[in-house]
Amino acid sequence: DQQVKQNSPSLSVQEGRISILNCDYTNSMFDYFLWYKKYPAEGPTFLISISSIKDKNEDGRFTVFLNKSAKHLSLHIVPSQPGDSAVYFCAATLSGTYKYIFGTGTRLKVLA
Amino acid sequence: DTAVSQTPKYLVTQMGNDKSIKCEQNLGHDTMYWYKQDSKKFLKIMFSYNNKELIINETVPNRFSPKSPDKAHLNLHINSLELGDSAVYFCASSPPRGRTEAFFGQGTRLTVV
Repeated sequence: DQQVKQNSPSLSVQEGRISILNCDYTNSMFDYFLWYKKYPAEGPTFLISISSIKDKNEDGRFTVFLNKSAKHLSLHIVPSQPGDSAVYFCAATLSGTYKYIFGTGTRLKVLA
Repeated sequence: DTAVSQTPKYLVTQMGNDKSIKCEQNLGHDTMYWYKQDSKKFLKIMFSYNNKELIINETVPNRFSPKSPDKAHLNLHINSLELGDSAVYFCASSPPRGRTEAFFGQGTRLTVV
């Protein structure tokens, strides 16, 4: 039972344009959401997060939006750069449960 | 100056063997994890430990035995390796309980032949 889903396995975007990666979850109790970036042969690297009490968090070129009523979050990258090409995982956690539940990942390719 | 380090990075072994993967973190975190990324690229939690105590065991076969000698280390021992154990195993750590991120090691690619 996949509690966190990323329905787009891949996405291609032109350099300089906006990349939008989407994530849906089923457990309304999740209280913290994260995005990780993963390059081949490396571990996931934390990118940005958002608490369930907020609906937006911004860090430089990266912005995460949370829509709790729709149980949906998205990651916006603008402008996209070739170095952003990687697999992006969204994850969710419930404080005190000692686990992060990951989506299946979206491979982003930024074309120069 | 690696925050979470795993050894080895690659491990090729025969079916039936016993192997260990080591993990160390220098972040002072209380909580450590093992995740498995299978051939479909799903990242699934296997175990989590808090202050050397097992908190989560996500229906992992008992051939897998984690050991935490201290808060900075969480090793994974696997007995009687099977072909289906081939995967990438990631160690991670985080501060306990809070709304914060986990830090991952670079992964160990285990291939059972």
